Amino acid sequence: GESVGLHLPTLSVQEGDNSIINCAYSNSASDYFIWYKQESGKGPQFIIDIRSNMDKRQGQRVTVLLNKTVKHLSLQIAATQPGDSAVYFCAENMKGGSYIPTFGRGTSLIVHP
Amino acid sequence: GAVVSQHPSRVICKSGTSVKIECRSLDFQATTMFWYRQFPKQSLMLMATSNEGSKATYEQGVEKDKFLINHASLTLSTLTVTSAHPEDSSFYICSAGPGLIDQETQYFGPGTRLLVL
Repeated sequence: GESVGLHLPTLSVQEGDNSIINCAYSNSASDYFIWYKQESGKGPQFIIDIRSNMDKRQGQRVTVLLNKTVKHLSLQIAATQPGDSAVYFCAENMKGGSYIPTFGRGTSLIVHP
Repeated sequence: GAVVSQHPSRVICKSGTSVKIECRSLDFQATTMFWYRQFPKQSLMLMATSNEGSKATYEQGVEKDKFLINHASLTLSTLTVTSAHPEDSSFYICSAGPGLIDQETQYFGPGTRLLVL
């Protein structure tokens, strides 16, 4: 199900550090997961996805890990840059038809130069 | 990647007026589009699923007579906020995707900032 956010949790890191953003999803029937990045005043931008038959997927500077046992996703960003500062959302698509992405609460990543 | 556009990007209107927001998929056909609303510092809340050639499916708590959705073609969906009030001020975002097996990814428009005075 959806999470209605209160104030977004925030992760502050120094430029060059690795960042790990976590997400708990709600539906064990979900079979497809996506991480989105949303910069202020813009729509979400696709970063990386993973299917439920995988537990890890790597992209450029990003890695997504999926733990179905505890319904947990994480996004790892290597060598974080100031341009990575944004709100990050995980979304789950539920199996069986409509592929309606359901968004998690979001985490605000702040990268200090 | 797939491109989704929205128009206008921002709109200011008086209370009681209606506002139309367009969502277009520019390089693919979208049988289904989704409309979201986002308040500051919060996540995206799904409002409705827009189906080409048929009625939209609204999420619980979303007034279908207030938020009129029309999906006239495979590349265009419109959201009309009727008789807008200040509490309707928000960031409205649409998404679309091919909606095919192994092509589930939704691509988002840039959003429309609505301010109702």
